Amino acid sequence: GQNIDQPTEMTATEGAIVQINCTYQTSGFNGLFWYQQHAGEAPTFLSYNVLDGLEEKGRFSSFLSRSKGYSYLLLKELQMKDSASYLCAVNRGGATNKLIFGTGTLLAVQP
Amino acid sequence: DGGITQSPKYLFRKEGQNVTLSCEQNLNHDAMYWYRQDPGQGLRLIYYSQIVNDFQKGDIAEGYSVSREKKESFPLTVTSAQKNPTAFYLCASSLQGAGETQYFGPGTRLLVL
Repeated sequence: GQNIDQPTEMTATEGAIVQINCTYQTSGFNGLFWYQQHAGEAPTFLSYNVLDGLEEKGRFSSFLSRSKGYSYLLLKELQMKDSASYLCAVNRGGATNKLIFGTGTLLAVQP
Repeated sequence: DGGITQSPKYLFRKEGQNVTLSCEQNLNHDAMYWYRQDPGQGLRLIYYSQIVNDFQKGDIAEGYSVSREKKESFPLTVTSAQKNPTAFYLCASSLQGAGETQYFGPGTRLLVL
């Protein structure tokens, strides 16, 4: 079957670092995406990993281990505006560009 | 400004009524997608289209229909056969090919009266 697991909720403090984990079991794989979604708004693209390793983009980094079916999103120097849901999505592979999404992790940043 | 627009922002449906959600993009993307988002669940794929005049069912297509007559437009009709239509509907588009980033519109919230 196809399954993506993320923690439902996390809480962190302004200025701190938080790591959001994602594990997946899918029949195909052609990369993993992270999106940010504020309540009632559209998901916005954060990162894409297709090869093992760490991708860094400003305060946000994303890591992938294909052999372990594991990814994480690392947010540094947390700001109040980072309070949002973070969605992990796996590209299913094959000729199409279909994604399967996890349920999302709701991050609350506290002062 | 390139982007994806969806209208309306809120839509109310009466029992037995069909309603159509609009999705337009000016990103020159070949592929377009419709998702449904429910509380506590991940985004689920309803329909997708990789090219004009062609579309495929996603994971939860029952009770929905689409058309793709123009590259820029991918409207979704929620028919009366969809028994639980209340949800947040998101349209996305991407370049064609596996691994391309999907970009989302602002969404339409559908409520049943």
